[in-house]
Amino acid sequence: AQTVTQSQPEMSVQEAETVTLSCTYDTSESDYYLFWYKQPPSRQMILVIRQEAYKQQNATENRFSVNFQKAAKSFSLKISDSQLGDAAMYFCACDNAGNMLTFGGGTRLMVKP
Amino acid sequence: DAGVIQSPRHEVTEMGQEVTLRCKPISGHDYLFWYRQTMMRGLELLIYFNNNVPIDDSGMPEDRFSAKMPNASFSTLKIQPSEPRDSAVYFCASAIGGNQPQHFGDGTRLSIL
Repeated sequence: AQTVTQSQPEMSVQEAETVTLSCTYDTSESDYYLFWYKQPPSRQMILVIRQEAYKQQNATENRFSVNFQKAAKSFSLKISDSQLGDAAMYFCACDNAGNMLTFGGGTRLMVKP
Repeated sequence: DAGVIQSPRHEVTEMGQEVTLRCKPISGHDYLFWYRQTMMRGLELLIYFNNNVPIDDSGMPEDRFSAKMPNASFSTLKIQPSEPRDSAVYFCASAIGGNQPQHFGDGTRLSIL
């Protein structure tokens, strides 16, 4: 079984500043994938970024980047130049070779104008 | 392209009634997933299909829950009889292949009175 832990229930950031959301995971698989999903109040689940475990290079999508530390089983999300529209719940997830996503408990991000 | 389409968006019914949730995956996606989201348990995978065949239903809570995928463009999740503890948001997601990003529908908010 795999587990995903997000230790920060809530985070706050000033508009235009940078914030990092933490995620740790545990899996016995050697081949797996990691994701960050965003859930705004509209409750849509929106894919933010994806990382393949076999790739050492950290994934980047515009203002969003990850710090993937495989040995430490850590997968944090950095949001640069935060915008009001970034306010949402953020979920870290791990997909093992069996195609099954396990989600963390989520971090609520608030963006202050 | 249309995303994953779920219906209804909201459902309110009395306990003991049968509830049917519907999902149309993205055309060409071979994988379909059903999730449940509650405050207490977060996001949980209930069941997933590959090429219309159920692959893993270990997350289905009990026999009152059943899911079908009669063809590549339609799936249902049925609860019979429904109970108040089934109240949750139910998401359907689809993916083009194994370990590929899952695209979520807008969810069905189910309230059992």
